[in-house]
Amino acid sequence: QSALTQPASVSGSPGQSITISCTGTNSDVGSYDLVSWYQQYPGKAPKLMIYEGTKRPSGVSNRFSGSKSGNTASLTISGLQAEDEADYYCCSYASSSNSLVFGGGTKLTVL
Amino acid sequence: QVLLVQSGAEVREPGASVEVSCKASGYTFTSYAIHWVRQAPGQGLEWMGRIVVGNGDTKYSQKFQGRVTITRDTSASTTYMVLSSLTSEDTAVYYCARNPVGTITFDYWGQGTLVTVSS
Repeated sequence: QSALTQPASVSGSPGQSITISCTGTNSDVGSYDLVSWYQQYPGKAPKLMIYEGTKRPSGVSNRFSGSKSGNTASLTISGLQAEDEADYYCCSYASSSNSLVFGGGTKLTVL
Repeated sequence: QVLLVQSGAEVREPGASVEVSCKASGYTFTSYAIHWVRQAPGQGLEWMGRIVVGNGDTKYSQKFQGRVTITRDTSASTTYMVLSSLTSEDTAVYYCARNPVGTITFDYWGQGTLVTVSS
């Protein structure tokens, strides 16, 4: 069982917006503005999309944004495109185990 | 450009050990940490541990404590991950990832190394 909870799947049509949640506890997501998000295509290495909760690396589309409320971090993708279809993972520091933890991953399907 | 190039696929029998290497280029090797993350077939990402390259400090996931060892060779700009006492549940793709010290950001990743444990 993953320490962070993500929905197994989400879907949306091109042009729509979707949000992927990442729920933890006050020992991880809730206590630190350090959540990062990764996009992974099948057979490929993950790619950093959001770091420190809301920051976007250079080269990542501004259609991707991050936020947090309480113990839940969220990744929002606006103006969905076919190329956004991938798996998405959140990651946080967990003080309870003094380690890093990932969410179970969310498969995004663009209809 | 920043590159992390990992060693090739490995096949091991249960009970054996495996070493995976990760050679860095395109940046100052000693200014970052390197983390190891694995992904079992069809499963999610799992953090294993990290080494702060500059001072050699290591931290491991409690799940792998005692079975994993991460080292580095600064002269070769290479990090090594050794996993021992392998079982079939260790069959996975193993990734190295660069991390700016003090963050949990993995900004560059290796291409992954498939380790298969089978008799």
